[in-house]
Amino acid sequence: KQEVTQIPAALSVPEGENLVLNCSFTDSAIYNLQWFRQDPGKGLTSLLLIQSSQREQTSGRLNASLDKSSGRSTLYIAASQPGDSATYLCAATGTASKLTFGTGTRLQVTL
Amino acid sequence: GAGVSQSPSNKVTEKGKDVELRCDPISGHTALYWYRQRLGQGLEFLIYFQGNSAPDKSGLPSDRFSAERTGESVSTLTIQRTQQEDSAVYLCASSPSGLAGDTQYFGPGTRLTVL
Repeated sequence: KQEVTQIPAALSVPEGENLVLNCSFTDSAIYNLQWFRQDPGKGLTSLLLIQSSQREQTSGRLNASLDKSSGRSTLYIAASQPGDSATYLCAATGTASKLTFGTGTRLQVTL
Repeated sequence: GAGVSQSPSNKVTEKGKDVELRCDPISGHTALYWYRQRLGQGLEFLIYFQGNSAPDKSGLPSDRFSAERTGESVSTLTIQRTQQEDSAVYLCASSPSGLAGDTQYFGPGTRLTVL
């Protein structure tokens, strides 16, 4: 059974700082790894999707990497802004397109 | 275009009552998923519909939970005889084809509180 873990559970950084969120998964037989953002009272927004054959994906200030062999993914956020404050979830896609989610990292970017 | 919508946004019910939660997927999406997010826990997969195939119910926690989908449109998640541990945010997602490489698009969720 796939298990996904995210570290740290919570993180507070000053505006402008670069930061890294970590995600690890136990079963390397995944189709892809997704990073989502969750804002209070809203649904999940997909940020980046890395296919199992890829090593990284970039979108603006976000960069996600995937190392299947070690069961790890990282989300790098450059030059953080207060608007980046949210909970970040990673999810591994297994068979039948079912997502297994981590418990998330709650990020607060302070002025 | 319109995203995934869910109703109601909030539902408060008494223990033992039945509740129905509704999901309207993005038009044209053949796959629909239900997830549950209990406080302090990650999202748990509940059920998956793909076209006219039999749904994957492997994530439903008990026989009090059931879901239906009309064709490739609206889905309803029903919880019978609700218990306090059913309190959670229930999220619905849809994807164009249901293939493993598809992005899933999530609705805003229904927050269920069982008193």
